[in-house]
Amino acid sequence: SAVISQKPSRDICQRGTSLTIQCQVDSQVTMMFWYRQQPGQSLTLIATANQGSEATYESGFVIDKFPISRPNLTFSTLTVSNMSPEDSSIYLCSVVNISSYNEQFFGPGTRLTVL
Amino acid sequence: RKEVEQDPGPFNVPEGATVAFNCTYSNSASQSFFWYRQDCRKEPKLLMSVYSSGNEDGRFTAQLNRASQYISLLIRDSKLSDSATYLCVVNGEDSSYKLIFGSGTRLLVRP
Repeated sequence: SAVISQKPSRDICQRGTSLTIQCQVDSQVTMMFWYRQQPGQSLTLIATANQGSEATYESGFVIDKFPISRPNLTFSTLTVSNMSPEDSSIYLCSVVNISSYNEQFFGPGTRLTVL
Repeated sequence: RKEVEQDPGPFNVPEGATVAFNCTYSNSASQSFFWYRQDCRKEPKLLMSVYSSGNEDGRFTAQLNRASQYISLLIRDSKLSDSATYLCVVNGEDSSYKLIFGSGTRLLVRP
């Protein structure tokens, strides 16, 4: 499986600021996704990060709040904009191994706390 | 109705026990099914894919019942290290790559 890293691993931020999370994969992958896991809950898909075009957002998530970039096949960023305490979550990127029954693998996550 | 439903548990079992988890899903068009394991404060890790014919990996056996839209995971000879949350996952209705996660079943294996 691909090796996925995320930066930062955790951060504590002030209300109203923005944080950009980086996701780096050690091999070229076609599909990259961003998920959120709120405290005590399961994962929710935020968006699909498309290489060379705008991300595809799920219902309830918008580009102004969660802008995403994907300049190449190994890297993506997610920005959490104008943060509020409700944005406190773990944010995870994932990649799909198309050659292996569409199995999806996750980065270690970024634990965000907004004060 | 949730798209993927699981009993949250916790299931508290002694070492060596056999434990089974079930999961139901609402989208009859789903084609991909997985069990993930998530340890506390860690990312989910793929435990096994679930194939139509059922599949086994060591102490773990997964079954799929398309007619009833449920998935099961059987763990035999439980180890202390099996303690974790087990997430049932299916693909979303408009893409085989978008995953819908159940809320997870917590397993505690005691000595």
